[in-house]
Amino acid sequence: GAVVSQHPSRVICKSGTSVKIECRSLDFQATTMFWYRQFPKQSLMLMATSNEGSKATYEQGVEKDKFLINHASLTLSTLTVTSAHPEDSSFYICSAIRTGLYTEAFFGQGTRLTVV
Amino acid sequence: AQKITQTQPGMFVQEKEAVTLDCTYDTSDPSYGLFWYKQPSSGEMIFLIYQGSYDQQNATEGRYSLNFQKARKSANLVISASQLGDSAMYFCAMRVAGAQKLVFGQGTRLTINP
Repeated sequence: GAVVSQHPSRVICKSGTSVKIECRSLDFQATTMFWYRQFPKQSLMLMATSNEGSKATYEQGVEKDKFLINHASLTLSTLTVTSAHPEDSSFYICSAIRTGLYTEAFFGQGTRLTVV
Repeated sequence: AQKITQTQPGMFVQEKEAVTLDCTYDTSDPSYGLFWYKQPSSGEMIFLIYQGSYDQQNATEGRYSLNFQKARKSANLVISASQLGDSAMYFCAMRVAGAQKLVFGQGTRLTINP
C-alpha cells in the first residue's frame, strides 16, 4: 500500500515555542491532506483540510493562527503549532488522499506532542 | 450532515472467540463508503475493511467481515477467531460521495483476554 510518513513521531517542547510537524506522501501525489487531533481515549477530530497551492480550510473552533498549515508541494504538508502551551499537548495525525479509480486515505504514524 | 455512532466504549472477549463491533451511521446522501480502522497503542491507523453503499455483498478481508444492513444504517465489524494482537481501538468511519474527508465514530476499545 501507499506510504505516508509523518515526522517527528514524538516531540517535547517548551511552552511558548513553535513546533513543526511534517506529513509526506512517499509514493504518490496528494492534492489534499487532512490534519487530525486526538485526545487520549477519544476519536480523531478533524482540524483542517490542507490543499496544495491554496489556503487550508479549518474546522469550526480551530484557531488558524495557532495551527499553521502549509501545503507547498504535492507530497508535503506541514502543521506548525505556534506559541505552544500545555493544552496543545495531544496526538496529531495526518492523512493523505490518493485519487484515481478510487479515493483512498492513507495515514501517517502520528506525532505525540508534549508541551512542558 | 454525516454522523457515525459507536455505542460500545469497551469490549472484552476471550481469545479465539468472534466479536462484533457495532457501528451505525446517518447520512442523507445515497452514495457513501464505510470504513473500519484499527488503532493499536502505537497510534497508527490501520485500514481494515471497506463497504460501498451500493455494494450488494458484505465486504470480507481475511478474519474481518462487515455486516452491512443498509435499511438499518448499520455497518458492524465482525472479527472471527480473535487473537491477542487484535487488542486495540477500532474506529468506524464514513465518507460521502464527492467528499474526501472521513467522519469518525467515537471508537471502541477491544481487549482480547488469553
